[in-house]
Amino acid sequence: GIQVEQSPPDLILQEGANSTLRCNFSDSVNNLQWFHQNPWGQLINLFYIPSGTKQNGRLSATTVATERYSLLYISSSQTTDSGVYFCAVGGSAAGNKLTFGGGTRVLVKP
Amino acid sequence: DGGITQSPKYLFRKEGQNVTLSCEQNLNHDAMYWYRQDPGQGLRLIYYSQIVNDFQKGDIAEGYSVSREKKESFPLTVTSAQKNPTAFYLCASRGRVNTEAFFGQGTRLTVV
Repeated sequence: GIQVEQSPPDLILQEGANSTLRCNFSDSVNNLQWFHQNPWGQLINLFYIPSGTKQNGRLSATTVATERYSLLYISSSQTTDSGVYFCAVGGSAAGNKLTFGGGTRVLVKP
Repeated sequence: DGGITQSPKYLFRKEGQNVTLSCEQNLNHDAMYWYRQDPGQGLRLIYYSQIVNDFQKGDIAEGYSVSREKKESFPLTVTSAQKNPTAFYLCASRGRVNTEAFFGQGTRLTVV
């Protein structure tokens, strides 16, 4: 099956800093989503981005499908950005299922 | 409200007992999924279903069973054969292929 690797595994930021999270995947994909898991465990949808670039407020994401990676950018980080960020992908050969990376744990300090 | 409802939020069971976790969606989605998350880890796929009366094993199906008798419902049974059942269980659904998936709020299962 598809392998998904996220980096870095942990990230500590000062409030106001910018950061980039990376997701590498081992095969071509038709689906790619970024999620934020809050302290209560809820998975919040950030982006559905199998290719191209999207922006939503201080967050943006870019997927380069031909090179098998996606990037999530957090600008002007706030303490509420703390949590775990997951990348999940699905390929045509994998049916309709999503495979998750191990996540990036982000802590934003005031 | 449209969405995915998992119940209960917290569940405690004695070792050796089967337990069933509920997942209901009113999004008219065809596909539904069950994932398991252990502390500090990512999500691993247990079972998924693309249509009613059909489901496939995911990566860690041993010790679990599911049914899909209705489009809206995809219950997960954690059987006594599951060696380490204590975990956070998340249910998701998606419409057509290559569309966004959405998750419920999860059930924390503790087996003592």
